[in-house]
Order: sequence, then C-alpha cells, then structure tokens
Amino acid sequence: AQSVTQLDSQVPVFEEAPVELRCNYSSSVSVYLFWYVQYPNQGLQLLLKYLSGSTLVKGINGFEAEFNKSQTSFHLRKPSVHISDTAEYFCAVSSSGSARQLTFGSGTQLTVLP
Amino acid sequence: DAGVIQSPRHEVTEMGQEVTLRCKPISGHNSLFWYRQTMMRGLELLIYFNNNVPIDDSGMPEDRFSAKMPNASFSTLKIQPSEPRDSAVYFCASSFEGPPLHFGNGTRLTVT
Repeated sequence: AQSVTQLDSQVPVFEEAPVELRCNYSSSVSVYLFWYVQYPNQGLQLLLKYLSGSTLVKGINGFEAEFNKSQTSFHLRKPSVHISDTAEYFCAVSSSGSARQLTFGSGTQLTVLP
Repeated sequence: DAGVIQSPRHEVTEMGQEVTLRCKPISGHNSLFWYRQTMMRGLELLIYFNNNVPIDDSGMPEDRFSAKMPNASFSTLKIQPSEPRDSAVYFCASSFEGPPLHFGNGTRLTVT
C-alpha cells in the first residue's frame, strides 16, 4: 500500500512570486506520481505526471515537479504565479503494477494574493 | 470533446430515498472511475471499471452503494437507501488504459 502526505494545507503567496507545494509519499514498490489541480466547483485536472525517465517533469500552466527517490518527494513548483493559479492542488501516487488505483493526498489550497 | 459529463450537478434528497448519479465518459476511454470527496476523508476511490467490467469495488462503502456500466458510454452510481453521511461530492473520471486523466465537474449530493 502507498500513502501521500501534503505537508501544507494552505499556501498564500503574492502574485509573480515563486511557489513550491510539497508532497511526500511512502511505498514499498515502484511508483507513479501525479499532480492534479481543482478549481472551485470543478473536477480535477491533471497538471503533470512522473512515470519513468527524467526526474524533472514539466506540466501545463508553467508548473514543474521533481521526483526525488531518496527523499520520497515530488514537490510542485512554479517560478512566478498568477491570480488564476488560485486553486486546490492534489498530489497522488499509484504503484507501477496498478497504475489506475491512485491514492490522493489531502490537498493544498494555493491562494495567490494581488 | 465535451469531456466527462455528470448529472445532476446537485441533488438534494431525504434520508431513505434512492439516489442515482450518472456519468458519460469521454468517447474512446476504456477506464471509468467513481470517486467521493468529503472534507473529512478527502478523495476516495469507490470503484473503477475497465472495458465496462468492474475491476475493483473495494472502496464501495457498503451494500447500499452499487455501480453499473451497461455500455462504454454510460455509468451509474446508485445509493439505496441514502443516509445523511452519504452527503459529498461524487466525481466520475475516465482514461484510456491508465489512471484517471479527465474528471467531470461532480455531483454535489445532500441527504437531509
């Protein structure tokens, strides 16, 4: 079984500042890692995913994440945020043997301030 | 493509009533997922189908919950009888041979 911990439930940041949303996972097997974004009253959208290969993954809307196996982390970053990035962000993990079964973190509410 | 379509967007019902939630996945996708989202428990996978066949229903809370996928373009999640603790947002998601990629906008269920 695997689990995901999102260390910050809320992250306020000023517009055009950089941001990092933290995610740590635990698993006894190889994993796939994902970040999703949820805007108010909407479903989740996939931002990016790590399956294999390069540990630096680039996604939509200027976001990127780095897989660090030794630290079991998959932190999400953006160098300069916009007001429109205000949303809830979910980290998720699945085992490589059962890619469809995602375990989600509890979410981080990113609020971008003017 | 219109994306994953869920109906209704909101449902308010009284305890004991039957509730049916509906989902139309993206055309061509062969995996369909039902999730429940609450403040207390976050996002929980209830069940997922592959090629219309239920693969894992271990997340279904109890026998009051049932899900069907009679064809590749339609699925239902039924709660009978409903209870106040079933109040949540229920999401349907679909993908092709992998984890959920596209989510619907959800059905907000309130059971009074």
